[in-house]
Amino acid sequence: DAGVIQSPRHEVTEMGQEVTLRCKPISGHDYLFWYRQTMMRGLELLIYFNNNVPIDDSGMPEDRFSAKMPNASFSTLKIQPSEPRDSAVYFCASSRRIAGASYEQYFGPGTRLTVT
Amino acid sequence: KQEVTQIPAALSVPEGENLVLNCSFTDSAIYNLQWFRQDPGKGLTSLLLIQSSQREQTSGRLNASLDKSSGRSTLYIAASQPGDSATYLCAVIPPPGGLGARDYKLSFGAGTTVTVRA
Repeated sequence: DAGVIQSPRHEVTEMGQEVTLRCKPISGHDYLFWYRQTMMRGLELLIYFNNNVPIDDSGMPEDRFSAKMPNASFSTLKIQPSEPRDSAVYFCASSRRIAGASYEQYFGPGTRLTVT
Repeated sequence: KQEVTQIPAALSVPEGENLVLNCSFTDSAIYNLQWFRQDPGKGLTSLLLIQSSQREQTSGRLNASLDKSSGRSTLYIAASQPGDSATYLCAVIPPPGGLGARDYKLSFGAGTTVTVRA
C-alpha cells in the first residue's frame, strides 16, 4: 500500500480564501483522523471518522473548519475563510480498529498551510 | 484526562552513545503505547507499538519498555548515529469503548528533539 496520501503538500493562500485539504487513507482502514501541528500547541486532534461517519469533532477550532468523508477512500478538511492563525501543518492519519488489532495509527506526510 | 509528558525536551549526544528517551502518562488505563519519529518538515513515522500486556518491544537498535503501573515508557536507541537525529514522540492509545465510542483519541507527548553529533 502507498500509505496515507495527502494533497497538496504545500499551500499558500491569502487571508479570506477557502482552503481544501485532501486525504486518502490506507485501504481497509476504518478510522481516519485529522490533526494540526504548530510550534506553540504541538499536535492537536481536530476530528476523527469511523466508517465515514464523524465521531468526535470537538477539536475543530471554529465554524470556519469543516471536514467530510464521502467514502472510505477520501476525506477533505476545509477552512473558509482562512486566517493567518490557521497556518500550520495538517496531518491525516488512518487506523484499523477491529478485534485483536493494535489500533496503530499511520500518518500522511502532511500539508503545510501558510495563510498570508 | 490523560496527560503525556516527555522529558527532556531536547537531547544532544555524540555519535555512538546510547539514547534514553522518557515518556510518562497520568492514566494507567491504556490500551497501547506508540512511539513515533518525526524528521523536520515531515510526517510522523511509527517506530514501535507496545501493547498494554507487553513489557517491551524491540526493532533493530530500538527497544521500548512499558510499565503501566507507574505510567512510564522508555525508548532506548543503541549506538546512536547522526541519522537518528529527529524528534521522537510517544502517544497513548486508550482502551476501546465500543463501536463508534468517542474515546479513540491518542494522547501525544510534546516530543524529545534528539541531535546526534558526528
